[in-house]
Amino acid sequence: AQSVTQLGSHVSVSEGALVLLRCNYSSSVPPYLFWYVQYPNQGLQLLLKYTSAATLVKGINGFEAEFKKSETSFHLTKPSAHMSDAAEYFCAVSPNSGGYQKVTFGIGTKLQVIP
Amino acid sequence: EPEVTQTPSHQVTQMGQEVILRCVPISNHLYFYWYRQILGQKVEFLVSFYNNEISEKSEIFDDQFSVERPDGSNFTLKIRSTKLEDSAMYFCATALGGQGLGTDTQYFGPGTRLTVL
Repeated sequence: AQSVTQLGSHVSVSEGALVLLRCNYSSSVPPYLFWYVQYPNQGLQLLLKYTSAATLVKGINGFEAEFKKSETSFHLTKPSAHMSDAAEYFCAVSPNSGGYQKVTFGIGTKLQVIP
Repeated sequence: EPEVTQTPSHQVTQMGQEVILRCVPISNHLYFYWYRQILGQKVEFLVSFYNNEISEKSEIFDDQFSVERPDGSNFTLKIRSTKLEDSAMYFCATALGGQGLGTDTQYFGPGTRLTVL
């Protein structure tokens, strides 16, 4: 079964600092990988998606993630945090054998941005 | 930008009562999903639905749960006899379907918070 592990349920960064949210996946074959963001009282919004094309994936709001097979990682980064980035971030995985299959989520990481 | 909507945003019910959670998919989307998130836990897959039938379901989705598209637009999740442990945020998601880049991306609604007393 596929799974993802997010390291750190809470991460605090200063405004303007690098954002690094960690995610490691477990899968017998390269999967599809996702990062979703959830702002307070809102649904899950797709930030970016890896589907076995380029290993460096750029998403919305200046976020990007790099797929590293050797490390089974898909960490999310942003060079400079903004106050509006405060939200909960979910790493997720699904089989690459067909994009309509279920998505399996990590526990989530709450990002706090300190002024 | 089109979005998935869900009603109600918050539902409070007594244990043993039936609840129906509603989702309006993005127009032309063909794949539908329900997920739930118990407070403090992971978002969990419940069921996927395509062409008017269930494609896949998790072990959580037992006989107390059912899904349907009664009028070809709304996508509903029914819980026949709610239990305390059904209290959670329920998310609907939809995907366009077909070939092409991005057609399998799942778009999530804002969720319905179900509280069972």
